[in-house]
Amino acid sequence: ETGVTQSPTHLIKTRGQQVTLRCSSQSGHNTVSWYQQALGQGPQFIFQYYREEENGRGNFPPRFSGLQFPNYSSELNVNALELDDSALYLCASSHVPAGANSPLHFGNGTRLTVT
Amino acid sequence: RKEVEQDPGPFNVPEGATVAFNCTYSNSASQSFFWYRQDCRKEPKLLMSVYSSGNEDGRFTAQLNRASQYISLLIRDSKLSDSATYLCVVNGGTNAGKSTFGDGTTLTVKP
Repeated sequence: ETGVTQSPTHLIKTRGQQVTLRCSSQSGHNTVSWYQQALGQGPQFIFQYYREEENGRGNFPPRFSGLQFPNYSSELNVNALELDDSALYLCASSHVPAGANSPLHFGNGTRLTVT
Repeated sequence: RKEVEQDPGPFNVPEGATVAFNCTYSNSASQSFFWYRQDCRKEPKLLMSVYSSGNEDGRFTAQLNRASQYISLLIRDSKLSDSATYLCVVNGGTNAGKSTFGDGTTLTVKP
């Protein structure tokens, strides 16, 4: 069984730039969720994708966008980076959308630093 | 007020101690509940689901009180390897795709 993989592991960007983070879901999982975790806080829900459609979104501005591909892998795109976007970005896959008693399986995360 | 609130911690306990963490949630429509464990600079990992009837997994016991919207985690006979941050997670409710995490409680078990 292949787990959730994320790339890259670390990234340094400059304020105003754009970034794309990638995630491959665990085999057999059709749902991908993205979270932002700042230091000392719990993960904050960005959005979830199920069957290539957005299935729920947290309190993040439109410059945070995503995609899910037919193979269930996913991308998180962030435009016009701000210093506060510096965080650990976590991708999690599940077999069905959250709310159906389906726990999340996380990747190792991408640590983004915006300078 | 946050949707999921946890004891702020940190908890510093000796090996062999029993420690309990509490968590409250605000959305009464929430459907499922979990505890995750997160080691320093690592990803969260599922520790256990939480069922209304209460459930146990070895030294770990989880309880759910839907009426009070309260979740607990009890760790008996603490080991050094239990040192981590414990995250309370609530699924479902008005935003069906969302799992809501608390900010976590940090446990340090000392020799």
